Amino acid sequence: QVQLVESGGGVVQPGRSLRLSCAASGFTFSSYGMHWVRQAPGKGLEWVAVIWYDGFFKHYADSVKGRFTISRDNTKNTLYLQMNSLRPEDTAVYYCARDPDYEYWGQGTLVTVSS
Amino acid sequence: DVQMTQSPSSLSASVGDRVTITCRASQDIRNDLGWFQQKPGKAPKRLIYAASSLQSGVPSRFSGSRSGTEFTLTISSLQPEDFATYYCLQHNTYRHTFGQGTKLEIK
Repeated sequence: QVQLVESGGGVVQPGRSLRLSCAASGFTFSSYGMHWVRQAPGKGLEWVAVIWYDGFFKHYADSVKGRFTISRDNTKNTLYLQMNSLRPEDTAVYYCARDPDYEYWGQGTLVTVSS
Repeated sequence: DVQMTQSPSSLSASVGDRVTITCRASQDIRNDLGWFQQKPGKAPKRLIYAASSLQSGVPSRFSGSRSGTEFTLTISSLQPEDFATYYCLQHNTYRHTFGQGTKLEIK
């Protein structure tokens, strides 16, 4: 069965960096685009970024553009989100989800940006 | 970017009620819309895809429809397990957008 498992969350100081991972299994990872979606505490869902199946195209929300980088390693069936220059407003649970149509989601990993 | 305006933001209803949630897109997004249910501490769960297709395993009391740029999620007869927060999501453009969410509470 399809599984997406995020990791890498934690507490980090403002201005520092963190890299999230999403390990995929149960499907041909290299055939699907992948997304990151986040949810701040008590708030709604916010789309963050997408990467196409081959890694060639990437798109970002304005709120993270220039600070976050989405990437993937199809040999390791893993999706990444490199988060630099973190701000308190980046505090959220971060989910990975499979394209198209977001049928499958991971369980999420919590990132807390605080001094 | 496409804006998704979801209403209402909250809704109180009783078991057995018929409930409707609406999302309006700021431009034509064809049928590139999904509906998701989220319960506290859990990942979102897809209910409807392509505006009106029911996700496998989701009860038939859930349905979706489209009229132009207006999309509707209907729950025909609320069950206790349906009290949750619901989101629409458009994926027509490169940058996707969620509606603001509708919290469905027990009256």
